[in-house]
Amino acid sequence: EIVMTQSPVTLSVSPGERATLSCRASQSVSTNLAWYQQKPGQAPRLLIHGAATRAADIPVRFTGSGSETEFTLTISSLQSEDFAVYYCHQYNNWPETFGQGTKVEVK
Amino acid sequence: QVQLVESGGGVVQPGRSRRLSCVASGFTFSNHGMHWVRQAPGKGLEWVAVITYDGRNKAYADSVKGRFTVSRDNSKSTLYLEMNNLTPEDTATYYCARVQVPYAAMVHFDYWGQGTLVTVSS
Repeated sequence: EIVMTQSPVTLSVSPGERATLSCRASQSVSTNLAWYQQKPGQAPRLLIHGAATRAADIPVRFTGSGSETEFTLTISSLQSEDFAVYYCHQYNNWPETFGQGTKVEVK
Repeated sequence: QVQLVESGGGVVQPGRSRRLSCVASGFTFSNHGMHWVRQAPGKGLEWVAVITYDGRNKAYADSVKGRFTVSRDNSKSTLYLEMNNLTPEDTATYYCARVQVPYAAMVHFDYWGQGTLVTVSS
């Protein structure tokens, strides 16, 4: 099983600032990596797939990068609606696995 | 529009069984692989199982292997998760999710249901 490790666990950021979230895979997943956003009481929402491709209707302030074992999600200028939990997900191998999540909170 | 609606959750005693359903609409269900993902209260997402579009291939998380069975009825646009020998550690909201690319296996999820809560408790 591929273990996905996200850091930090919690990120405190002021509105308008940049947020950088990391995801590391225990072995290569190529670019078969997605990022999801989840708000309380809601289902996850797809942000990024293929490590760097924004999903439909996702604002350009969300950028994904990386390959193999190191991945980054950058939110260039945090808006109020961006405070949420973010998960990475590898779909390169079964069993598929998620990171434990990064909570982006208001500083 | 694409909709996934889970049902079947509730309170179940340890050791008992439960079947979850996920009814799909707004797309050709038989063309898409489907997954189950769960989330324990206050915890992160845990992948549970996958079934390919034609039902021929399935895979499970180690934590549920041998106890859970994923299946689908393409004529009813419905995905199922049969859960046996449940334990309190299986308490979670269970989501079904669609693989975005038709006929593909290992692809990201583009649509999720709202989830159904299963509570395993005596």
